[in-house]
Amino acid sequence: DIHMTQSPSSQSASVGDRVTIICRASQDIGFYLNWYQQKPGKAPKLLIFSGSNLQSGVPSRFIGSGSGTEFSLTINSLQPEDFATYYCQQSSTVPRTFGQGTRVDIK
Amino acid sequence: QVQLQEPGPRLVKPSQTLSLTCIVSDDSLSSGSYYWSWIRQPAGERPEWIGQIYFSGKTDYSPSLRSRVTMSIDMAKKQFSLRLSSVTAADTAVYSCARAYTYGPMQYFDSWADGTLVTVSS
Repeated sequence: DIHMTQSPSSQSASVGDRVTIICRASQDIGFYLNWYQQKPGKAPKLLIFSGSNLQSGVPSRFIGSGSGTEFSLTINSLQPEDFATYYCQQSSTVPRTFGQGTRVDIK
Repeated sequence: QVQLQEPGPRLVKPSQTLSLTCIVSDDSLSSGSYYWSWIRQPAGERPEWIGQIYFSGKTDYSPSLRSRVTMSIDMAKKQFSLRLSSVTAADTAVYSCARAYTYGPMQYFDSWADGTLVTVSS
């Protein structure tokens, strides 16, 4: 299985801040990396697919980049509704695997 | 916007079989653009992919669960199902069905059900 590791595991930030989350894969996954946002009691919501493609309806302050084994999700000008947990997920091979999550909370 | 719903039992006894069904609101179940997936998430942990099924009936299962998992699809009823046998307390989790848009190796989960908490307890 491909192991996905995110850093940091949690981050405190203020409205208006820029937040960057790193996701590393245990082997080369090309561009096949997706990002999801999850709020308590809710299903994950797709933000970014295939490394850098913004899902329809997602604000442009969410930016994904990277390839191979290292990827990042940047949230520019954090908004109140962005406080949530973020997961990366690889689709390069089966089984699909997720990172452990990064919780972004209010400073 | 497709809706996925998964009614089902919430409490399963140890050693029994967990059965869940996901109902799809539109006709995308028969589309070759999607795989239909089951994902679970124990409290406070990362999501765990259980497996997926294609409209043709082709399946892929997680190696760690393969011996206990069976997925099926019913196009007429617009639903797909999960069976997990010989459950233990370690199988307690929120179980979600999800639609995975697939194009070659590119795949992402673009629609999810709300999720069902399944508790394994006697």
